[in-house]
Amino acid sequence: EPEVTQTPSHQVTQMGQEVILRCVPISNHLYFYWYRQILGQKVEFLVSFYNNEISEKSEIFDDQFSVERPDGSNFTLKIRSTKLEDSAMYFCASRGVRDFEFGYTFGSGTRLTVV
Amino acid sequence: LAKTTQPISMDSYEGQEVNITCSHNNIATNDYITWYQQFPSQGPRFIIQGYKTKVTNEVASLFIPADRKSSTLSLPRVSLSDTAVYYCLVGEDFGNEKLTFGTGTRLTIIP
Repeated sequence: EPEVTQTPSHQVTQMGQEVILRCVPISNHLYFYWYRQILGQKVEFLVSFYNNEISEKSEIFDDQFSVERPDGSNFTLKIRSTKLEDSAMYFCASRGVRDFEFGYTFGSGTRLTVV
Repeated sequence: LAKTTQPISMDSYEGQEVNITCSHNNIATNDYITWYQQFPSQGPRFIIQGYKTKVTNEVASLFIPADRKSSTLSLPRVSLSDTAVYYCLVGEDFGNEKLTFGTGTRLTIIP
């Protein structure tokens, strides 16, 4: 079964540092997403990406966040200057054009801890 | 997006059939109903999606009454590995549609 792969699985960073979270979506998928889940809270939408540009972003996705698909396979989320409240699980997801019966495929997540 | 209401938690014994009901009184004509499962420290996993009546796959069944104001996810003969949080989502099913998760139902399977 095809998977969405995320690296690293855990990342500890100091406040104010930049982090890049990496994702390899399923190869023939065209829609890409980042979600996050703060411990004990809901899964929250951050951003969607299609055709090499952001389709929609939430209020959480401020100027400190950016996404990129640099080489046609990787999909990255960058946080420029991390804050303590950025500590969360970050999930990448992807979806194909005609996968409506199969839903979105999520990765296993990156646990980001900001200290 | 239609708001959904589901029980916060449920317990069931192994081998039982579990039914989790979700209310979505304001569902729109174009909305689909989708269920996801999430294990601790993992991403949500798609279980099943439907529009009306009954949908069945190898994992679960989804029952949707004619008025579509509620839906029931049915898990046959649960095992300990079915302990997870189950989310009911309602929304239009376009390719780029974002998912809006609620708090879900925490299902605990008891041996």
